[in-house]
Amino acid sequence: EIVLTQSPGTLSLSPGERATLSCRASQSVSSSYLAWYQQKPGQAPRLLIYGASSRATGIPDRFSGSGSGTDFSLTISRLEPEDFAVYYCQQYGSSPLTFGGGTKVEIK
Amino acid sequence: EVQLLESGGGLVQPGGSLRLSCVASGSTYHAMSWVRQAPGKGLEWVSGISGSGDSTYNADSVKGRFTISRDSSKNTLFLQMNSLRAEDTAVYYCAKDLSYGSWSAFDIWGQGTMVTVS
Repeated sequence: EIVLTQSPGTLSLSPGERATLSCRASQSVSSSYLAWYQQKPGQAPRLLIYGASSRATGIPDRFSGSGSGTDFSLTISRLEPEDFAVYYCQQYGSSPLTFGGGTKVEIK
Repeated sequence: EVQLLESGGGLVQPGGSLRLSCVASGSTYHAMSWVRQAPGKGLEWVSGISGSGDSTYNADSVKGRFTISRDSSKNTLFLQMNSLRAEDTAVYYCAKDLSYGSWSAFDIWGQGTMVTVS
């Protein structure tokens, strides 16, 4: 099983700032099959990025993903008020599919 | 766009059973899954089923207790949960795979249904 470790656990930033979230895998993720999700309280997760760097339908271009192998990142170029949430990475290159523990982006 | 609506959650005693359902607003031939989230915790992939229904996956934590199935004629996904334990308490989401074929990212999620084992 591939273990995904996200860091930091919490990121305290102000609107307009840049956010960089990390996701490290315990072994190489096949074909960069890595996704990022955003989850707000009381809501289901929303797919942001798949294939490490492809934005899902309707996702603003301030969200970008990068990385390969074992190291991946999600960048939010300029934080909007609605971006404060918890973010999860997920690998789907090998079974079982696994999620990281999440990074909370909170208002500073 | 397909929408997903779960039902069937509730309060059940340890050792009891529940059957969750997830109805899709349209036909989908994609793989489908159940993902759960314990209160205040992260996401866990519980069970998955291929588009054809002939391939399934169950996490070790639920193997032998949970069974995933689908009725394509009714656009409905099921999760039969037996021998429930306190640690199964969670919000259960059904989720649709982004692409056909093997397991992938989940592009459509239901609103979730709460299962409490106590």
